[in-house]
Amino acid sequence: NAGVTQTPKFQVLKTGQSMTLQCAQDMNHEYMSWYRQDPGMGLRLIHYSVGAGITDQGEVPNGYNVSRSTTEDFPLRLLSAAPSQTSVYFCASSYSTGSYYGYTFGSGTRLTVV
Amino acid sequence: ELKVEQNPLFLSMQEGKNYTIYCNYSTTSDRLYWYRQDPGKSLESLFVLLSNGAVKQEGRLMASLDTKARLSTLHITAAVHDLSATYFCAVDLGGNYQLIWGAGTKLIIKP
Repeated sequence: NAGVTQTPKFQVLKTGQSMTLQCAQDMNHEYMSWYRQDPGMGLRLIHYSVGAGITDQGEVPNGYNVSRSTTEDFPLRLLSAAPSQTSVYFCASSYSTGSYYGYTFGSGTRLTVV
Repeated sequence: ELKVEQNPLFLSMQEGKNYTIYCNYSTTSDRLYWYRQDPGKSLESLFVLLSNGAVKQEGRLMASLDTKARLSTLHITAAVHDLSATYFCAVDLGGNYQLIWGAGTKLIIKP
């Protein structure tokens, strides 16, 4: 099992460029999410999906789009990159046992916007 | 709005010593998670605490949850250098798949 796979691992963008961060999971988890991690702060939720075709906004959604056409994939799109989006991005998938949710995180994408 | 506060944010300690990291949260939740992150790496799940009074232990780490006080602790016993990392607590809002995270505690253990 690969778990949660994120690509690319590193990316440098110029202000105004667009790009897509890829996230794929092979665990058949229904729920997937994107977080960003900034220095000195905990992770903050950007967008999440509870299943194919269903997405919703998290705490910091502005400047990002998502879609979920399959259970396996949950790409994050930056429409017009800004320096404030310089961060480390983590994708997570999760399952529910009925009493709690277990989360598996990808290895992260380190994005720098110049 | 749910807030999660960890303290201390930075901790430097000697090997062999004991210490505790605290995680306070501002609203009711029955699910609290502890994660470890090494520099430049992803997040590793340590503990999931599901109910008041829950206590879990793995090696030199022990986590507990007091839902009435809205407090979780991560206790380190006889610290060793390999435990140097940043430790995060996160609270589940319950039912809507959102984890709210503390700012993390950077732990440095000196030989």
